[in-house]
Amino acid sequence: GAVVSQHPSWVICKSGTSVKIECRSLDFQATTMFWYRQFPKQSLMLMATSNEGSKATYEQGVEKDKFLINHASLTLSTLTVTSAHPEDSSFYICSAKNTGWEQFFGPGTRLTVL
Amino acid sequence: KNEVEQSPQNLTAQEGEFITINCSYSVGISALHWLQQHPGGGIVSLFMLSSGKKKHGRLIATINIQEKHSSLHITASHPRDSAVYICAALTGTASKLTFGTGTRLQVTL
Repeated sequence: GAVVSQHPSWVICKSGTSVKIECRSLDFQATTMFWYRQFPKQSLMLMATSNEGSKATYEQGVEKDKFLINHASLTLSTLTVTSAHPEDSSFYICSAKNTGWEQFFGPGTRLTVL
Repeated sequence: KNEVEQSPQNLTAQEGEFITINCSYSVGISALHWLQQHPGGGIVSLFMLSSGKKKHGRLIATINIQEKHSSLHITASHPRDSAVYICAALTGTASKLTFGTGTRLQVTL
């Protein structure tokens, strides 16, 4: 099956710093990638949808200047959390799809902001 | 009321039991995902279906489009099946998923 990787799997950073999370589709070309966040014992919440070569579409309430998304190639999307604060601590998950409907999920990145 | 609801929220079963998790949705969908999330957090897509029934090993997923209902069955459950199971409805033209709140399954020896 299709494989999606994320890097890093976990990261701890100081408040005020920026953190970049990578999402890669390893064996297929991802025309669309999705970024989700998940708080403990809650379900996934869609943050944004990114299509290769175009600007990301953010969900209501998600600050695009705080969560920068770049989808520069068909196999890589990055999420940068700028000026991170403790309330940004969460589990961030990406998924990727090609022209079909099915989304393939990455293993997630656990971000802790001190 | 959530657009996608699951039941039960928590489920404890003994090894070998037959397990059913239910998912109801109130919106029009293109397809429905069943996902498995282990304690480490990674998500595995178990099934995506838009009609009928799919089977993979000990897992069976069914969907009734008219009743807006899907079920995930696990036969001969095993402790390694312990995880959170999430149904997610694919809606609209943007391929967005609307997630249920998940069912936390614990299978004991």
